[in-house]
Amino acid sequence: DAKTTQPNSMESNEEEPVHLPCNHSTISGTDYIHWYRQLPSQGPEYVIHGLTSNVNNRMASLAIAEDRKSSTLILHRATLRDAAVYYCILRDDNDMRFGAGTRLTVKP
Amino acid sequence: DVKVTQSSRYLVKRTGEKVFLECVQDMDHENMFWYRQDPGLGLRLIYFSYDVKMKEKGDIPEGYSVSREKKERFSLILESASTNQTSMYLCASSPTRWGRTDTQYFGPGTRLTVL
Repeated sequence: DAKTTQPNSMESNEEEPVHLPCNHSTISGTDYIHWYRQLPSQGPEYVIHGLTSNVNNRMASLAIAEDRKSSTLILHRATLRDAAVYYCILRDDNDMRFGAGTRLTVKP
Repeated sequence: DVKVTQSSRYLVKRTGEKVFLECVQDMDHENMFWYRQDPGLGLRLIYFSYDVKMKEKGDIPEGYSVSREKKERFSLILESASTNQTSMYLCASSPTRWGRTDTQYFGPGTRLTVL
């Protein structure tokens, strides 16, 4: 399986941008990069996904390196409700494997 | 909005009991999944189903079985609960066949404690 590496934890101040990195140096050419987050006491929720180009949606932006060996999830203005564990996942046709993720703390 | 509901948020059972965890989705999704989540181990796939009456083993099926008699409902069964099955159980559904761009929608989870 292609694996991802994320920092265990990050901190951000409220209303500031947050850049959550993910390394995936063994990504295959057809793996999609997905991000999910898990708020306290809830199940994971989908955030965004992409293949090669940068992607934007109402929740976040996904910046993918040109060589696809890393990606960054960008929250443009963090709020207290964005405090969660963020998971970077590589998807092929068969697998969706969650790693340990990054625990984001947002300070008021 | 997609809604995935699980029958209980918290459940306490005794060793040896038969335990049923129910999951219902309201968006006519083809695929349904059961995961367990444990500290330090992340989410691990127990079973999944891509059609009524179909089931596939995930990474850790031992000690569990599943049932999918209707498209919207996927049940996880612990035939004889053991203490090492104490965990958070998460159900998910997705609209298409298992694929690279598929999005999974999760329920709120059931925290099961086996005494």
